[in-house]
Amino acid sequence: AQKITQTQPGMFVQEKEAVTLDCTYDTSDQSYGLFWYKQPSSGEMIFLIYQGSYDEQNATEGRYSLNFQKARKSANLVISASQLGDSAMYFCAMTRPVGTASKLTFGTGTRLQVTL
Amino acid sequence: NAGVTQTPKFRVLKTGQSMTLLCAQDMNHEYMYWYRQDPGMGLRLIHYSVGEGTTAKGEVPDGYNVSRLKKQNFLLGLESAAPSQTSVYFCASTYTENTEAFFGQGTRLTVV
Repeated sequence: AQKITQTQPGMFVQEKEAVTLDCTYDTSDQSYGLFWYKQPSSGEMIFLIYQGSYDEQNATEGRYSLNFQKARKSANLVISASQLGDSAMYFCAMTRPVGTASKLTFGTGTRLQVTL
Repeated sequence: NAGVTQTPKFRVLKTGQSMTLLCAQDMNHEYMYWYRQDPGMGLRLIHYSVGEGTTAKGEVPDGYNVSRLKKQNFLLGLESAAPSQTSVYFCASTYTENTEAFFGQGTRLTVV
């Protein structure tokens, strides 16, 4: 069974600084997908970034990058130049490979607070 | 550009009552999911579907049933609501396993 672990319930970062949100996963599959989603206080879920298990380069989307270390089974989200609007819950998620009964599984989330 | 639409947005039920939550997507997605979100627990998968006419159990299926009679709709039913089912429910859909999920706006359900 696949499992996502986010060990940081809450994080603080100063505006304009970079922050890393941790995510580790457990799976026996060779092919899988890793995602990060943001949930602001308004409640909607916003897709941030995706990394495929066979992608050799770390994914980047603007100020977001995913530090993918396959051997360590970690997929940490790095937010550069934090902004006040980055304050939100962040969820790491994982999918199973093509051809299986696909499930999208989430971690418990990290609450990020950006301060002045 | 509706995306994923959940109805209703809010509901209060008495213990023992039944209700159905509707999720509709207009993106021709194959995969659809129902989650519940509780403080400190993240999003937990209730049931999911990999195509029209198919359903499967997730992590926390007890007390819920689902149906996917049409590709665009995924219904979540509570036959006899319990206070433990007080939660925020999210529906999501994806085109394939490794594409981003699109979420509905959530349904806040309170069972008293």
